[in-house]
Amino acid sequence: GAVVSQHPSWVICKSGTSVKIECRSLDFQATTMFWYRQFPKQSLMLMATSNEGSKATYEQGVEKDKFLINHASLTLSTLTVTSAHPEDSSFYICSARAQELGVYNSPLHFGNGTRLTVT
Amino acid sequence: AQSVTQLGSHVSVSEGALVLLRCNYSSSVPPYLFWYVQYPNQGLQLLLKYTSAATLVKGINGFEAEFKKSETSFHLTKPSAHMSDAAEYFCAVSLTGRRALTFGSGTRLQVQP
Repeated sequence: GAVVSQHPSWVICKSGTSVKIECRSLDFQATTMFWYRQFPKQSLMLMATSNEGSKATYEQGVEKDKFLINHASLTLSTLTVTSAHPEDSSFYICSARAQELGVYNSPLHFGNGTRLTVT
Repeated sequence: AQSVTQLGSHVSVSEGALVLLRCNYSSSVPPYLFWYVQYPNQGLQLLLKYTSAATLVKGINGFEAEFKKSETSFHLTKPSAHMSDAAEYFCAVSLTGRRALTFGSGTRLQVQP
């Protein structure tokens, strides 16, 4: 089945530094990937839609200059948290949809998430 | 806009008992509905999906869900709970033409021995 790999699985950084999270589709091409954020014991909130070869589409309230998204190839999207602060500590999850021939709205496949802790 | 409401943030059942996790949706058009499971510090795994075919959908690990338009519900059930079913479960919805998912608040399932 479709696999999405996310790296790193956890990272601790100091306040003010930047952190890059990678999301790769391992056995399919994904023109679109999605980045979600999950606070402890809460649901997933869509942050942005990453489009290969074009600018990401950010959800309302998400700072695009703080959460930089690059989707340089059909199998890789990156999320960079710039000048991280403790309030950015969270669980970040990427997802992608494998295009199934003849199936509309095929399900999203999720990475295993990245737990970011900013000290 | 679409949304889902999961009733009960925590559900506790005994091993071998019926599992029922509730999900109600709100959508202006026929929705696509999904159930995902999340284990601690992991991503989400798809249990099952409804895409306007059969209203009773069977998924992995013995789970199934029934789409009831009249009740705007998509409850998740399993006849007999296993200890390994203990996890967080999310109901999600997407609209025709919109590719991201909107998630419910989640239900944590505990299975007592």
